[in-house]
Amino acid sequence: KAGVTQTPRYLIKTRGQQVTLSCSPISGHRSVSWYQQTPGQGLQFLFEYFSETQRNKGNFPGRFSGRQFSNSRSEMNVSTLELGDSALYLCASSLTSGGTDTQYFGPGTRLTVL
Amino acid sequence: EDQVTQSPEALRLQEGESSSLNCSYTVSGLRGLFWYRQDPGKGPEFLFTLYSAGEEKEKERLKATLTKKESFLHITAPKPEDSATYLCAVQPRFGNEKLTFGTGTRLTIIP
Repeated sequence: KAGVTQTPRYLIKTRGQQVTLSCSPISGHRSVSWYQQTPGQGLQFLFEYFSETQRNKGNFPGRFSGRQFSNSRSEMNVSTLELGDSALYLCASSLTSGGTDTQYFGPGTRLTVL
Repeated sequence: EDQVTQSPEALRLQEGESSSLNCSYTVSGLRGLFWYRQDPGKGPEFLFTLYSAGEEKEKERLKATLTKKESFLHITAPKPEDSATYLCAVQPRFGNEKLTFGTGTRLTIIP
């Protein structure tokens, strides 16, 4: 069974640009969560999508947004990039939302903002 | 607000030298506590879920235990391939149910 895939794996952008990251969950999984990982802050929850609806949202500015498609694939968008947005962005999928369904992580997209 | 603190930040052990990693947590009702392993440049890999105090789970050289305030990940006779960062996360029973992660323990096993 294929795992969670994320594209692209690496990105280099400059301040002020915008970026879109993509995540394909494990087949059959309907929930997708996004996290930002930095050396100082660890993994921080961005948002969760289930059945094309945002179910939960973390404490990030409105520049961070996402969506989920009918096939459960998800995209995350960051507008007006700042230097501090440089991080590893991780996507995790689970069967359903809520409960204690295990979240399985993808390999991440390494974003560097210059 | 939910909080997770992991200690130590880094740990170097000789191959075969057993030890424990700590995860202290504060949560408004625990739905589940999760342990993940993360290798450099990769996403976290799921290890265990613990649900209630007193619960224990084992996988190869790893054993996770849970109390009402903390969880331990015991590593018995580790091998170099156990070197990784180990992450702990809690999921609250109430509210938005999002996972809150600790910053991890970076474990290095020296041959």
